[in-house]
Amino acid sequence: RKEVEQDPGPFNVPEGATVAFNCTYSNSASQSFFWYRQDCRKEPKLLMSVYSSGNEDGRFTAQLNRASQYISLLIRDSKLSDSATYLCVVTQRSNSGYALNFGKGTSLLVTP
Amino acid sequence: DGGITQSPKYLFRKEGQNVTLSCEQNLNHDAMYWYRQDPGQGLRLIYYSQIVNDFQKGDIAEGYSVSREKKESFPLTVTSAQKNPTAFYLCASSQLPGQGTDTQYFGPGTRLTVL
Repeated sequence: RKEVEQDPGPFNVPEGATVAFNCTYSNSASQSFFWYRQDCRKEPKLLMSVYSSGNEDGRFTAQLNRASQYISLLIRDSKLSDSATYLCVVTQRSNSGYALNFGKGTSLLVTP
Repeated sequence: DGGITQSPKYLFRKEGQNVTLSCEQNLNHDAMYWYRQDPGQGLRLIYYSQIVNDFQKGDIAEGYSVSREKKESFPLTVTSAQKNPTAFYLCASSQLPGQGTDTQYFGPGTRLTVL
């Protein structure tokens, strides 16, 4: 089983739609969770961290469910500029080191 | 401006040649990382370093080497032993895990093509 799994999509949605992405992780000792956005042929950029209490940043809402080992990202009122690949990232820390695991990404295309 | 830079942006190499990719950061981050990304794939960790003159292998270190002589710099050498080096290489940096946010910040990447 992969450490971090995401539905690769693509998700094709019209402007103004609400879209949700899910991500599951296999290591229950995971400690930090993030969503990154990656545009075509560019580097990933941090979109938001994900906390157990959930967090919201404008049109974006992230949720973490530790019991189910599940992270979600909700985008409301989609814009054309939201078209990108969204990467789920999970970290684990231990005495022996530090691991950061990336999902393969979910592709979003917002159409006019 | 604080940030992380990589050079060159595009690099072409003949088979059998070693090539070194540059990564520099002025964010005062202790930790630096190298990843490769292949089309349709997630990022895979090649090497990381948490302190000067020390570094650890990631998941796919074979055929690569690194050095960390300065806090700001973490160059990656792709050797001729790397069987499939054509990829997008991303460098990242962060504060030390446990001493602040785990957030990693990425450079713009180097796209390496072996001819």
